[in-house]
Amino acid sequence: GAVVSQHPSRVICKSGTSVKIECRSLDFQATTMFWYRQFPKKSLMLMATSNEGSKATYEQGVEKDKFLINHASLTLSTLTVTSAHPEDSSFYICSARDMAGHNEQFFGPGTRLTVL
Amino acid sequence: AQKITQTQPGMFVQEKEAVTLDCTYDTSDQSYGLFWYKQPSSGEMIFLIYQGSYDEQNATEGRYSLNFQKARKSANLVISASQLGDSAMYFCAMREGRGTASKLTFGTGTRLQVTL
Repeated sequence: GAVVSQHPSRVICKSGTSVKIECRSLDFQATTMFWYRQFPKKSLMLMATSNEGSKATYEQGVEKDKFLINHASLTLSTLTVTSAHPEDSSFYICSARDMAGHNEQFFGPGTRLTVL
Repeated sequence: AQKITQTQPGMFVQEKEAVTLDCTYDTSDQSYGLFWYKQPSSGEMIFLIYQGSYDEQNATEGRYSLNFQKARKSANLVISASQLGDSAMYFCAMREGRGTASKLTFGTGTRLQVTL
């Protein structure tokens, strides 16, 4: 199956700093990428959908100025958590879909963010 | 209303036995897709099986099969011949909408524990 990578896998940062997470589709072109957040023992909550070359569509309740998403190429999307606070600590998972007829949505391995 | 409902927070099954994980969904769309993902403790989301709303046959992938009952809006996952490595969280998800507007909604998950 297709491979989606995320970097970094873990990050610990101080409150007030910004953190950038990268999501790459390694062997296919992803016209659409998704960013999810998962709290411990909870389900995945969709934060935003990004389409290459256009602005991301954020889900209700997700602050777009807080979680900046850029999908500048067909293989790379980035999520920047700006001015991170402890409540932003979570597991962030990206996902990519190749719109060329595949039904599967491929997930990255996730990034565990801890804000001190 | 919940779009995806998984009523079993946890399940136990003995090795080599079969187990059914329940999933019901709610949608007014005629065209939709149903997915099952496995999430081991490492956090990665592993695609298991897909069922399209227009598929007449139940989907099967190796030891996984999807018991699709459209009139009852259920899409239960059946794992046959359980193995210790099957212990993980299992999420049911539904994709509604078309093209770039479509997105996955996840259930709350079922934690499966396979015992000796």
